[in-house]
Amino acid sequence: GEDVEQSLFLSVREGDSSVINCTYTDSSSTYLYWYKQEPGAGLQLLTYIFSNMDMKQDQRLTVLLNKKDKHLSLRIADTQTGDSAIYFCAEDNYGQNFVFGPGTRLSVLP
Amino acid sequence: KAGVTQTPRYLIKTRGQQVTLSCSPISGHRSVSWYQQTPGQGLQFLFEYFSETQRNKGNFPGRFSGRQFSNSRSEMNVSTLELGDSALYLCASTLAGGSGELFFGEGSRLTVL
Repeated sequence: GEDVEQSLFLSVREGDSSVINCTYTDSSSTYLYWYKQEPGAGLQLLTYIFSNMDMKQDQRLTVLLNKKDKHLSLRIADTQTGDSAIYFCAEDNYGQNFVFGPGTRLSVLP
Repeated sequence: KAGVTQTPRYLIKTRGQQVTLSCSPISGHRSVSWYQQTPGQGLQFLFEYFSETQRNKGNFPGRFSGRQFSNSRSEMNVSTLELGDSALYLCASTLAGGSGELFFGEGSRLTVL
């Protein structure tokens, strides 16, 4: 079945760049998404990329998509303590439901 | 525009009981999806409703059920609760389902003792 994988933890220093990686299996996904979850809260859409794009930039966020390798990454420039959260990669499963990765817990150290 | 509202936010039940969780989607959204989030399994899809019909269903036992009303509000029910049902239950809405942004509520945290 469809599967989305991510590394579980990432620690960076404040001001550095963070790169969160994701691999997925469903090559027919229309969009690929990055969601953010802060403690005690639901998920919030950060950004998404259409499957026929290679890159999307949105302020401090850069999404890179390698369709051949089914690899997605999220780069956060100038990481701040407020960026500490769990980041989920997700794909839409033939447009039926979303399949989420296990989440990467980003810790930003002062 | 009000966001997705889930009630109750927290609840404690004992094994064998049943529970009903409620979700009010964003006004105008007709698709409501439910997800279970646990530390061990992550986010798992339960089911999706659109126009009062269950359109998709995940791999959960029949103890998990849901419904959607004509105003798009949705409820999910878990009967004969087990300890393993302890989780954060998240509801998400979208205009019509399929691809597109899911708007999540803050979740209902269920603890089964």
